[in-house]
Amino acid sequence: GENVEQHPSTLSVQEGDSAVIKCTYSDSASNYFPWYKQELGKGPQLIIDIRSNVGEKKDQRIAVTLNKTAKHFSLHITETQPEDSAVYFCAASDSGAGSYQLTFGKGTKLSVIP
Amino acid sequence: DGGITQSPKYLFRKEGQNVTLSCEQNLNHDAMYWYRQDPGQGLRLIYYSQIVNDFQKGDIAEGYSVSREKKESFPLTVTSAQKNPTAFYLCASSMLAGSYNEQFFGPGTRLTVL
Repeated sequence: GENVEQHPSTLSVQEGDSAVIKCTYSDSASNYFPWYKQELGKGPQLIIDIRSNVGEKKDQRIAVTLNKTAKHFSLHITETQPEDSAVYFCAASDSGAGSYQLTFGKGTKLSVIP
Repeated sequence: DGGITQSPKYLFRKEGQNVTLSCEQNLNHDAMYWYRQDPGQGLRLIYYSQIVNDFQKGDIAEGYSVSREKKESFPLTVTSAQKNPTAFYLCASSMLAGSYNEQFFGPGTRLTVL
């Protein structure tokens, strides 16, 4: 099955700096890669996703890059703000297998210091 | 408003008791999922269902049971056979049409075994 590794497990940045979270996956058939943000005591919320036919996607201060050859993808947050503090999860899915399951990384706790 | 509701938000149980967690969605989604979240462990799949009256085991199904009698409902029962049930439980749903499976999460239920 799919295995997703996520690094780092914790990340502290100064407000206004950039943050980068990296994930690797094992199944070359995976073709969908979402990123979720989870605030304390709440359910995860999708913030951005990328399909395998795209190398990069941006949404305001958030961007995701995908390298299918190396089987890794990254989340980039620019101009970080205190409200970006949360736990971020990457995930991978092979919808072609028909199961529509997501395999999640173990999460990165991001702290933005004012 | 469309969305996923989970109840209760907090649940306390004595050892040896079964307990059922509720999950309801009004998004007309085909698939529903149950995840367990422990600190530092990410999200682990317990059960999922792609159609009414059918469901499959995920990675950690032992000690849990589910039913899918209605499209909008997917209750999870934590049985006394689950050795370490204290955790945060998340329900999610997704469409199955198309090639990708964006999952939407509920707010979660925190179960504590006393």
